[in-house]
Amino acid sequence: DIQMTQSPSSLSASVGDRVTITCRASQSVSRFLNWYQQKPGKAPKLLIYAASSLQSGVPSRFSGSTSGTDFTLTISSLQPEDFATYYCQQSYSTSSITFGQGTRLEIK
Amino acid sequence: QVQLVQSGAEVKKPGASVKVSCKASGYTFTNYDISWVRQAPGQGLEWMGWISANNGNTKYARKLQGRVTMTTDTPTSTAYMELRSLRSDDTAVYYCARPRKPYSSGWDYWGQGTLVTVSS
Repeated sequence: DIQMTQSPSSLSASVGDRVTITCRASQSVSRFLNWYQQKPGKAPKLLIYAASSLQSGVPSRFSGSTSGTDFTLTISSLQPEDFATYYCQQSYSTSSITFGQGTRLEIK
Repeated sequence: QVQLVQSGAEVKKPGASVKVSCKASGYTFTNYDISWVRQAPGQGLEWMGWISANNGNTKYARKLQGRVTMTTDTPTSTAYMELRSLRSDDTAVYYCARPRKPYSSGWDYWGQGTLVTVSS
């Protein structure tokens, strides 16, 4: 199975900060990498698909990028509603889709 | 509008089976796969498998092979996930999800989740 290693596992930041979360794949997943946001008690919400495409309705302060097997989710200016847990997901191997372990973003 | 509505919470004893439903509306059911994901309390997301609502083809996570079965009922636009031989570590919230476009990456519609508790 393709392993997705996400870092950091937790992060404290302030409103207005620029935040970066990284996900590294154990092998090439091309651009089949998605990012989700999850708030307590809620289903995940798709933010970014195909590594860098912004899902409809998602604020433009969210962006995704890639360099080889490294993927990055950036929030350019944190808003209060952005404090949540973020997951990357590879869907390159449709017979074994895997998620990163999650990054919990907390208020400093 | 697209909706996925799941069945209610379940409490099961170890060794029993559970069947969770996911009723779709607002789109042509057979045009999209349905994936199932679970989340144990305080833990991350775990992919369980997917089913093609078009032809019933399935793919299951290796660790669940032999215990999980995913099916669909086209007339009612409902997908089902059955998990057998339940253990305490199967206690989780179970979600169904649909991709943003047929055969595309990224799931943009999710059910509300179904809590399955396995306890003696």
